[in-house]
Formats: sequence, structure tokens, C-alpha cells
Amino acid sequence: AQKITQTQPGMFVQEKEAVTLDCTYDTSDQSYGLFWYKQPSSGEMIFLIYQGSYDEQNATEGRYSLNFQKARKSANLVISASQLGDSAMYFCAMRDPGGSNYKLTFGKGTLLTVNP
Amino acid sequence: DTEVTQTPKHLVMGMTNKKSLKCEQHMGHRAMYWYKQKAKKPPELMFVYSYEKLSINESVPSRFSPECPNSSLLNLHLHALQPEDSALYLCASSPATTGRRPGTEAFFGQGTRLTVV
Repeated sequence: AQKITQTQPGMFVQEKEAVTLDCTYDTSDQSYGLFWYKQPSSGEMIFLIYQGSYDEQNATEGRYSLNFQKARKSANLVISASQLGDSAMYFCAMRDPGGSNYKLTFGKGTLLTVNP
Repeated sequence: DTEVTQTPKHLVMGMTNKKSLKCEQHMGHRAMYWYKQKAKKPPELMFVYSYEKLSINESVPSRFSPECPNSSLLNLHLHALQPEDSALYLCASSPATTGRRPGTEAFFGQGTRLTVV
């Protein structure tokens, strides 16, 4: 069974600084996909970034980058130049590559607060 | 258009009521999902439809009844709910392909906040 661990229930960062949100995963599969989602208080889950297990380079999307360390089974999200609008819950997730390609397993989430 | 639209945004219903949640997407995705999310918890998968057929049912009580009338629409019919069913219900869609490459991410709607009284 897969497992996603986010060990930081809450994080605080000053506006304009960078912050790293941790995510470790456990799977015996060689092929898998990792995702990060942002969930503001409004409720919508917003897709941020994707990393495939066979991707040789770390994924980047604007201010978001993923620090992927396959041997350590970690996929940390780095947000550069934090903005007040980045305050939200952040979820790391893995897509089940086995019998079902569709099931997303989520970590417990990290609540990020950006201070002015 | 990367939008998944859910209606209604808020719903209050009694335990004897019958109501439906609706979800629509026009991205050509052939996999659609229902998730339930309690406050301060991650989303929990309820159902997955693949090519309009029920692919996954995560042992959800029969008072929740999903329906996929066509490739763009997904409904969740609610009947005889309990107060503990109060939660945020999220609909999502994705391509129905293997998950190794970009473009396979799931897109979520804004959710329906359900309160059962």
C-alpha cells in the first residue's frame, strides 16, 4: 500500500521569502506520479506541480519547484518569493500506478501562513 | 478551459431529504471522481468513473449513489444522510491514462459544502 507523509502540520513564512514543504512517500512501484495541490479556505483544490518517477529533472512551474530525491523517496515543494495569497493548505499526493491508474492518495497536508 | 463546475456550492438538507450534487467538465476527460473531505483532513476518495462506468467504489454507504449520465457530467444522489455526512464534497476529472506523464493531473471543482441537519 502506498503512503504519503507530510510531517509539518503548519508552517509560517515571511512575505517574499522562500519556504519548503516536506513530503515523503512510500511505494514499491517503480513507476508513479507525484502531485502537489493548494487548497485555499474557499475549498477548491488547485493543481500546482507534477513529478514523474522517471523524470530526470526536478519539475518547476513559475514560483513552484519540486525537490525530488528518488533514493530518499522525498518530493518537497519549494515556493519562492512567498506572497500573502499563498496562505493555504498544501497537499502532496501520489497516483496509484498499479491496478487503478486513477486513485490519488493524499498526505495529511501542511497549513502555510504567509506573514506580511 | 480547465474548469470543473460543481453545483450547488452550499447545501443544507434534512435527514429525510433527497438531493443531488452535480459536476460538469468540458476538458474531454474520461475519468471523473467524487471525494469527501472533512475539516482539516485530506480528501477521501469515494467513487471513480472511467469511460462512464463505475471503476472504483471505496465501500461508500448506499445512501450515496453516483451516476455518470455522459462523459461530461457526474452526479451524486443523496438520500437519508446522517449528520456525520456533513463535509465538503469535491468532484474531479482527469485523463483516463497511465499516470507517468504530465497532463494526467486531476482537476478539482470548488466543492459543495454539505450540512445535514
